[in-house]
Formats: sequence, structure tokens, C-alpha cells
Amino acid sequence: ETGVTQTPRHLVMGMTNKKSLKCEQHLGHNAMYWYKQSAKKPLELMFVYNFKEQTENNSVPSRFSPECPNSSHLFLHLHTLQPEDSALYLCASSQGMENNQPQHFGDGTRLSIL
Amino acid sequence: GDSVTQMEGPVTLSEEAFLTINCTYTATGYPSLFWYVQYPGEGLQLLLKATKADDKGSNKGFEATYRKETTSFHLEKGSVQVSDSAVYFCALNSGGGADGLTFGKGTHLIIQP
Repeated sequence: ETGVTQTPRHLVMGMTNKKSLKCEQHLGHNAMYWYKQSAKKPLELMFVYNFKEQTENNSVPSRFSPECPNSSHLFLHLHTLQPEDSALYLCASSQGMENNQPQHFGDGTRLSIL
Repeated sequence: GDSVTQMEGPVTLSEEAFLTINCTYTATGYPSLFWYVQYPGEGLQLLLKATKADDKGSNKGFEATYRKETTSFHLEKGSVQVSDSAVYFCALNSGGGADGLTFGKGTHLIIQP
């Protein structure tokens, strides 16, 4: 399989649960990203990793915890989430960090917080 | 900071109509510009890009020209199809990957047969 794969596609959890989102890219890219897509709002960058090192944390609450064990895998660990965290979470990757490099997106995880 | 402005829609057109989706931006430095498309239930797919002034990106009959003087990157297609129905996002990257992409809110396009 090629491209960027995200699992699960859908996740429903209570506010006290702990869960993780997974992203895997098969493109040989070095950089990976987490974005949040909420209704009626532009996509929001959450975290950036380059060669497994976190380069950006865009003022994201600590209830979201990223992990990048290698350049192909990216996780988003979730705990004690709030209803306003319900959204589509998109993972992306790019070949490098230059601004002309397009980012390739997965299909996202639709997260619903009860 | 950087920003992207585009019409939100929904924009409803008949099949074979001409399409224009406006996109304007403000950015520091010299950004690269992108159009992404999102079909229902899917992630974003890169549609086209342009990396310097007067560049024209094109793909699948869509095209957009990087206009530095008007800070615009309008998306056009001569004859739309029902299968073009989707949400279209204009985006820029001025700071490199560390800053991620700055997106507009997206334009919902509906094509009627």
C-alpha cells in the first residue's frame, strides 16, 4: 500500500478514556505532521516532526501527546479529552521541510468525544 | 501572521459550467501556493501547486496562476463535472515545513447534472 495510512478511521471515546491514533507513511518522507480539522474552521497545525525530532508544538493542550518512533510512524496519544476536541485529525508527510514541498495527507481519524 | 482567504460557499454550478474559486493571501517572505481537494470521507489530496510568481499549476483540467502583484491564486476549470463536487482548500507555505501549511477555510463545490 502506498501513501499515508491512518487508523482507526473512526473513534468514539469518553472524556476519561485513553486512546491513540496511528499514522504510517509509505512514501519515504522525512517529515510528518498532525492537523486538526473542525467544522467551519481552517485546518490547524498541531505538531511537526522532522527526522523523528519534534520541531513544532503549536500551543496544543497537554491532553494531546505525540510520539514519533521513526520517520515512517507517528502517533497521537489522547487522554482526558473535552467535547470540543471532537474533530477530524489528519496526518501528513513531506519529503523535506522546504516550503515548496507538498504535504501528502491520510484520510484522517474522525474523533467523537462523548 | 500568514493567512488565506477564500469564498466558503457552497458554490453550486451546473455540469459543464466554468469554475472560478477565488483565493487571496497574506504572507511573510515568498510563499509556495497550493490547492488541495477533499472528497467526502477522505483526506486532502494535492491538486496543484506553484512555487514562484507567474507560475501556473495545472492538473485534471484545473489551473491556477501565482499572481504576486495581487497576492492571489484563483482556481479555474473550463468545464466542471459532477465528479468535481468536493471541498477545495487554498494553502500556502512561507516558512518551510516547520510552520506547516496555512489553509483557507475551504470552498464547498456542488456540481448538478
